[in-house]
Parts: sequence; C-alpha cells; structure tokens
Amino acid sequence: GAVVSQHPSRVICKSGTSVKIECRSLDFQATTMFWYRQFPKQSLMLMATSNEGSKATYEQGVEKDKFLINHASLTLSTLTVTSAHPEDSSFYICSAVVRPVTWGSEGEQYFGPGTRLTVT
Amino acid sequence: GQNIDQPTEMTATEGAIVQINCTYQTSGFNGLFWYQQHAGEAPTFLSYNVLDGLEEKGRFSSFLSRSKGYSYLLLKELQMKDSASYLCAVRDHDSGTYKYIFGTGTRLKVLA
Repeated sequence: GAVVSQHPSRVICKSGTSVKIECRSLDFQATTMFWYRQFPKQSLMLMATSNEGSKATYEQGVEKDKFLINHASLTLSTLTVTSAHPEDSSFYICSAVVRPVTWGSEGEQYFGPGTRLTVT
Repeated sequence: GQNIDQPTEMTATEGAIVQINCTYQTSGFNGLFWYQQHAGEAPTFLSYNVLDGLEEKGRFSSFLSRSKGYSYLLLKELQMKDSASYLCAVRDHDSGTYKYIFGTGTRLKVLA
C-alpha cells in the first residue's frame, strides 16, 4: 500500500523559533495533501489543504502567515510553524490523496505517522 | 454550518458488543468514514459509507442514514486491543473541493 512519511516524528523547540515539518508520499504522487492538528484528547482539526503548485487553502481561524505551507512537488509538502509559542504544542498529522481518488477505500486518504511538536 | 457529534467516552467489557453513534450536519455530504486511532499514532481506516445501510467488515460494521444525518460503528466480540479512540469523519464537497471533517472522537475502554 501507499506510504506517507513525516519528519521529524518529534521536535522540541524554544518559543520564538520556527519549525519545519515535512510530509512525503514515498511511492505515489499526491496532488493534494491535508494538514491536521490534534490537541491532547481531541480530534483532528483540518488546518489547510495543500495542492501541488498552488497556494494552500487555510481553514477559518488558521493563520496563514504563522503556518506556512509549501507543496513544491507531487511528493513533498512542508508545514513551517513560524515564531512558535507553547500554545502551538500539538500533534501535527498530514495526509495525502492519490489521484485518481480511490473513493471510499482505505486508499482514499493516506495518513502520515504524525509529528509531536513541543514548544518550551 | 458543519458539525459532527460523538460521545466522548465509552466503556465496555471484553467479548461484548458496543455501538458508537455519530450525528452530523454538513452542507455537502459526500461520504462518511470511521477511523481508529491509538494514542500517539495516526488514524487507521475502518469503514466507509456513502449510501444508506449497513456495511460489514469482520468484527466491525458501520451504518448510515443520510436522511437522519446519523451513523454508528458497531464493534463485536470486543478485544482489549480495541481500546482506542474512534473518529467519525465526513467528506464534505464544498465549492468544488473535498475535505474531511472529523468528529471529536470517542475514547473506548475495553475492560477485562
């Protein structure tokens, strides 16, 4: 099956610094990737939809200047948390969609393993 | 608006049957998913419904009623390893794009 990787799996950074998280589709091309954020004991909240070669579409309430998304190729999307603060500490998960979409199957949306960000 | 509701927590006994309900309100419903998520891990796909009725996959079944905006996930012959969070998610089609809206998740504890 298709595999999505994320790097790093865990990162600890100081308040005010920036952190880049990479999401890669290892054996398929993903024209669309989604970025989610999950706080402890809560569900996944969609942050933005990333399309290769175009600007990301951000969900309401997500600051696009703080969470920079770049989808430069069909296998890589990056999320940069700029000027991170302790409240940005969360579990960040990406997912990738294969085209053509295999509707209604496990293969519709492949999730990465997640990145645990802790801002001190 | 978009809204998905699930119970926050449920407890059941090993070997029993448990039903996790999900109600939703979306403007462009285009399918409903159930995922299992263990702590600190990414979600894994369990089931998909787009038409009304019951879909069965081994110990797991999922039901959908589009007119009622309602779904449930049924887990039979519960095992300890089924202790996890179960996420109900709706694929929403809005303005020509698709996105997935997740419910709050139901934390299931299976007791021996």
